[in-house]
Amino acid sequence: KAGVTQTPRYLIKTRGQQVTLSCSPISGHRSVSWYQQTPGQGLQFLFEYFSETQRNKGNFPGRFSGRQFSNSRSEMNVSTLELGDSALYLCASSVGLAGNTDTQYFGPGTRLTVL
Amino acid sequence: GQQVMQIPQYQHVQEGEDFTTYCNSSTTLSNIQWYKQRPGGHPVFLIQLVKSGEVKKQKRLTFQFGEAKKNSSLHITATQTTDVGTYFCAGPSYQKVTFGTGTKLQVIP
Repeated sequence: KAGVTQTPRYLIKTRGQQVTLSCSPISGHRSVSWYQQTPGQGLQFLFEYFSETQRNKGNFPGRFSGRQFSNSRSEMNVSTLELGDSALYLCASSVGLAGNTDTQYFGPGTRLTVL
Repeated sequence: GQQVMQIPQYQHVQEGEDFTTYCNSSTTLSNIQWYKQRPGGHPVFLIQLVKSGEVKKQKRLTFQFGEAKKNSSLHITATQTTDVGTYFCAGPSYQKVTFGTGTKLQVIP
């Protein structure tokens, strides 16, 4: 089975721009969670999507949004980028809801640099 | 909200020495998961513990879940250079998964 894929792998943007990241989960997995990883804050939960519905959200501003399509692929969007948004963005897929103890499988991440 | 702390934050060991990382949650967990992230890589699932007091082994790695289900530990016996990376614990609470702060392990050959 193919693993979780994320595109693009690297991205450089400037402040004020917006960005869209994509995640394709493992076949058969219906849940996709997004995390932001920075050296100072560790792995921070952004949101989780299951069956095209956002099931849970972390403590991030409204500039961070996401969606999930009927094939379980997910996208996350960050608008009005700030320098502090520079991070590794990881998505993780699971068969069921991650919050219900399902094992998560992570993608390689998208490294976003905001200049 | 839920907080999951890990200690130590960093650990340097000589190859062959043992290593332990501890994970403490501010809330009771239904289960705890452990992940390993190699330098430049992404977190990879290692194991899940569910029962109070549960102990599981994977070759040189021993995982424990505390009796109160609020803490856990990962012990590596006779570390090898392949053990280098950051080890995270993670636990679900209120339908969110919270990751611990991580312990970065460096093994000196």
